[in-house]
Amino acid sequence: DIVMTQSPLSLPVTPGEPASISCRSSRSLLHRNGKTFFAWYLQRPGQSPQVLIYLGSHRASGVPDRFSGSESGTDFTLKISRVEAEDVGIYYCMQGLETPYTFGQGTKLEIK
Amino acid sequence: EVLLVESGGGLVQPGGSLRLSCADSGFAFSSYWMHWVRQPPGTGLEWVSRMNEDGRVTDYADSVKGRFTISRDNAKNTLYLQMNRLRVEDTAVYYCARDLSGRMDSWGLGTPVTVS
Repeated sequence: DIVMTQSPLSLPVTPGEPASISCRSSRSLLHRNGKTFFAWYLQRPGQSPQVLIYLGSHRASGVPDRFSGSESGTDFTLKISRVEAEDVGIYYCMQGLETPYTFGQGTKLEIK
Repeated sequence: EVLLVESGGGLVQPGGSLRLSCADSGFAFSSYWMHWVRQPPGTGLEWVSRMNEDGRVTDYADSVKGRFTISRDNAKNTLYLQMNRLRVEDTAVYYCARDLSGRMDSWGLGTPVTVS
């Protein structure tokens, strides 16, 4: 199975400040079709997960542009340019290249 | 707007069975792969199973293979998860999710399953 490793697991952030979450996959997530099957999800308290970033760096519909995703080989980064109170929750990375799909452990973002 | 609604969760004894359902709001349900993902209490997300558009292709996590069966009825716009020989470790909130180009772009609210 592909292992997804996130860091940090806890991320206290002051509103208005930037934040960054990393995720490393144990194998390349590049499909032979040229697409990278990697996504970021946010699960707000008491809610279902929602997709933020897909195919490595594509922002999902309705996601604020303060969220951005990047990739370099097997390393992926989610950046929030200016954290807002509504960004609180647990962020998960996920690979969808092959089954079993696997998630990272989750990064809990909280407001200082 | 896509709306997925799960149902069928509840309390069951170890070794028992449950059948979960996931009804969609009519977003061309038959055109999409669908997934089940679960979340044990206080922990992270675990992918459980997926099915292709016409129901001919299925995949399962090793932890549920041979015990769970995913199915769909495209005429009823509904996805199912038949769970047999349930174990305490199957306790979780179960979500259904739609697959769109390699991401789960719509999720239901989840249905809780407790095996005890």
